[in-house]
Amino acid sequence: AQSVTQLGSHVSVSEGALVLLRCNYSSSVPPYLFWYVQYPNQGLQLLLKYTTGATLVKGINGFEAEFKKSETSFHLTKPSAHMSDAAEYFCAVSGPGGYQKVTFGTGTKLQVIP
Amino acid sequence: DAMVIQNPRYQVTQFGKPVTLSCSQTLNHNVMYWYQQKSSQAPKLLFHYYDKDFNNEADTPDNFQSRRPNTSFCFLDIRSPGLGDAAMYLCATSSEAGRNQPQHFGDGTRLSIL
Repeated sequence: AQSVTQLGSHVSVSEGALVLLRCNYSSSVPPYLFWYVQYPNQGLQLLLKYTTGATLVKGINGFEAEFKKSETSFHLTKPSAHMSDAAEYFCAVSGPGGYQKVTFGTGTKLQVIP
Repeated sequence: DAMVIQNPRYQVTQFGKPVTLSCSQTLNHNVMYWYQQKSSQAPKLLFHYYDKDFNNEADTPDNFQSRRPNTSFCFLDIRSPGLGDAAMYLCATSSEAGRNQPQHFGDGTRLSIL
């Protein structure tokens, strides 16, 4: 079985400050991990994914995430927050089996303060 | 641009009156998914298709059904909507049944029940 825990349902940062959104996972198979972003009244958009290889993954909009197996973590970071980053962020882990079924975390709503 | 399109974006129906939500894709993806997302919650998978192979989640209510007449289209039918079915419904696709494939989401249909 797989699960995802996102610490902090709401995170507030000042514009220009570091963004850090935390995600810890549990998986019975080597994990494939994803971060998605959801803007109000829109669907989810892929930010980045980790499958195999390099553990530091770069995504769109200046975001990156580092896979740390020893800590079972996949935290999302961005060096400098922009007002347009205000959205909800979901971490997800891909389940075992042939289909691409994911388990989503409960989401973290990011607020950027001017 | 290739994409996933959901119609309508907003749907209002009466308690107990059947409603159908539609999803189309120009990505030519094998796999299509339907999710239910309630406010400030993670998307919850209702069912998915791999080509015409239908897969129902164990906890999806019998009130919810789906049809996929061809690769491009998928429909969600709610036979007798209750107040608890008010939610955002998201359609997604992925290119093949591989764990490393991200999902591509439509912008959702927000369903209200009167």
